[in-house]
Formats: sequence, structure tokens, C-alpha cells
Amino acid sequence: DAMVIQNPRYQVTQFGKPVTLSCSQTLNHNVMYWYQQKSSQAPKLLFHYYDKDFNNEADTPDNFQSRRPNTSFCFLDIRSPGLGDAAMYLCATSRDPTDTQYFGPGTRLTVL
Amino acid sequence: GDSVTQMEGPVTLSEEAFLTINCTYTATGYPSLFWYVQYPGEGLQLLLKATKADDKGSNKGFEATYRKETTSFHLEKGSVQVSDSAVYFCALKQGAQKLVFGQGTRLTINP
Repeated sequence: DAMVIQNPRYQVTQFGKPVTLSCSQTLNHNVMYWYQQKSSQAPKLLFHYYDKDFNNEADTPDNFQSRRPNTSFCFLDIRSPGLGDAAMYLCATSRDPTDTQYFGPGTRLTVL
Repeated sequence: GDSVTQMEGPVTLSEEAFLTINCTYTATGYPSLFWYVQYPGEGLQLLLKATKADDKGSNKGFEATYRKETTSFHLEKGSVQVSDSAVYFCALKQGAQKLVFGQGTRLTINP
């Protein structure tokens, strides 16, 4: 089945220690998104890639970066995680920017 | 800007009860409307969608009709099961603009 895969499902890091979350997709979609979801809240868009074009949301902290080395993979890098960055991180994909978004299972990040 | 307002939760029902979760939206154009479901510890799953007025989306016994005159997209299910316990998000999208979510409604079904 075509799908969106996120690894790891659970990630524990220390305050200030860089961490990378991974997303891959077998849908061959052109757009990949990263969302942050804190407890009992709706997901908040951090940024997205449309092919190789990176689109950052205006209120996304500089601490968050992303890389998309090819169509299938996209990474979320948190350069210096703070306690406030503990959250569920969701990857989503869509065929194009106007199309329906499909989400992965998420990575739960804990910051100690 | 565009916005989505959902029925406040949490909602608690008994198994086999009828479910309605209200969703209304504010948008300048003609958005596509979605319901996503999030089971505990999981990502969002697309439950159903509708792309134009009077369209009805349906999946797994859930239904929602795009009502332009009332700017609503209420989610309904005739007989809920314990396995339907989850958080439900209503969302809208206009063209290439970002997905706009409601605040989510937590649903608990008791046996």
C-alpha cells in the first residue's frame, strides 16, 4: 500500500541536543509538509516542500530546519531543542499544493 | 482570514448512539472541506471530504454534507462503536493555501 512513513515513532532527546526526524513516502507526491502538534491542539504547519522549493511559515522558529534530498524523503532538523519543542511531529504529503493531504503516523518527541 | 469552528468537546456517547459533531466555517471563496480522525497516539487519517456545495462525503458509516447556505459540514454517524473513540478535526482548504483546522473534538464511546 502506498503510504507515508515516519521514523522513529518515538524520539527522546536532551535539551539542546540536535535531533532529526524522518519522513518517507511511496505515493510519489510532489509536496511534503511538516506539522507540529501539541497536546489537545490542532496541527500547526511549520513548512513544506513543493518539489525542491522550500516554503517556510512566517512564525516557524529558526531552530527548525528541513531537508528534502529526493522526492521520497524529507527530514525535520531541530538544532537546539527546548522543553517547549516537545510535541507530536506529523509529516503529510499531497500530489500538488491544491490537493488532499495525507498524513503519516507521527513522531512523538520528548525533550529531557 | 478563513477559519473553522467545531463543536466543543469532549463528547461522550454510549455504543450504538447517533453522533453529530458540528462544524461551521468562514471562507471568502469555495473551499474544499475535510474531516480527519486521530486515534490515540497516531497521526491524522482522512475520514471524508467534499469539494463543492451539496457534495456528501462518506466513509466507514460517517457522512457529512457540504452546506454552502449554512457554511456547515457536520459529521454524522448513525450508530457509533467503541472503536470510533478518537479526536475528530474539521478542516478547510482553498486552492494552494494551507489547510485550516478546527480545534478538534474528542469523542469517547462507552460500551
